[in-house]
Amino acid sequence: EDKVVQSPLSLVVHEGDTVTLNCSYEVTNFRSLLWYKQEKKAPTFLFMLTSSGIEKKSGRLSSILDKKELFSILNITATQTGDSAVYLCAVERWGSQGNLIFGKGTKLSVKP
Amino acid sequence: DAGVIQSPRHEVTEMGQEVTLRCKPISGHDYLFWYRQTMMRGLELLIYFNNNVPIDDSGMPEDRFSAKMPNASFSTLKIQPSEPRDSAVYFCASSFNLYYEQYFGPGTRLTVT
Repeated sequence: EDKVVQSPLSLVVHEGDTVTLNCSYEVTNFRSLLWYKQEKKAPTFLFMLTSSGIEKKSGRLSSILDKKELFSILNITATQTGDSAVYLCAVERWGSQGNLIFGKGTKLSVKP
Repeated sequence: DAGVIQSPRHEVTEMGQEVTLRCKPISGHDYLFWYRQTMMRGLELLIYFNNNVPIDDSGMPEDRFSAKMPNASFSTLKIQPSEPRDSAVYFCASSFNLYYEQYFGPGTRLTVT
């Protein structure tokens, strides 16, 4: 059965800390891995990763994919209270494009 | 662009009633997705459409659920009859094509008592 597992389930840090969120997957015909940030409402897109070893960056956020070990990490440096959210990882498969399999998410709380 | 629009934002209904959720995708997006999110199961795809045609409905839980897309700017998800276990947040999302990210609407929080 295809699955996506995120860890930790929740995390509490202080402003300025650096955090690493993990996403491991077991799927057939892997195509891409996506990260979303979900605050109180809808998930918003962060990154799409298709190639191993190529880091994607957006401001203080970065992510990388390891297709050999079947995982991805999302790094957030110099965290701010506005980074508090649930971070979702999703995997897309060839032949089932559009049918994303989501992990349960990591709830990040950043304390002032 | 207004983004994906969903209505209603909140719905409280009694078991056995029919519920209809509505979605307007972003203009120009050819793909529309319906998701359900619960604490227990996380975010799950129910069905998605391409150019108004249902492509994958394998996530639709049972016959009580149905979805339609009569035109490019409107879709509905209907639950009849509703049950308490249908209580969840239902998201609609759209994308330009399958190689682009999905944009999510604000969701409809459904409570069935």
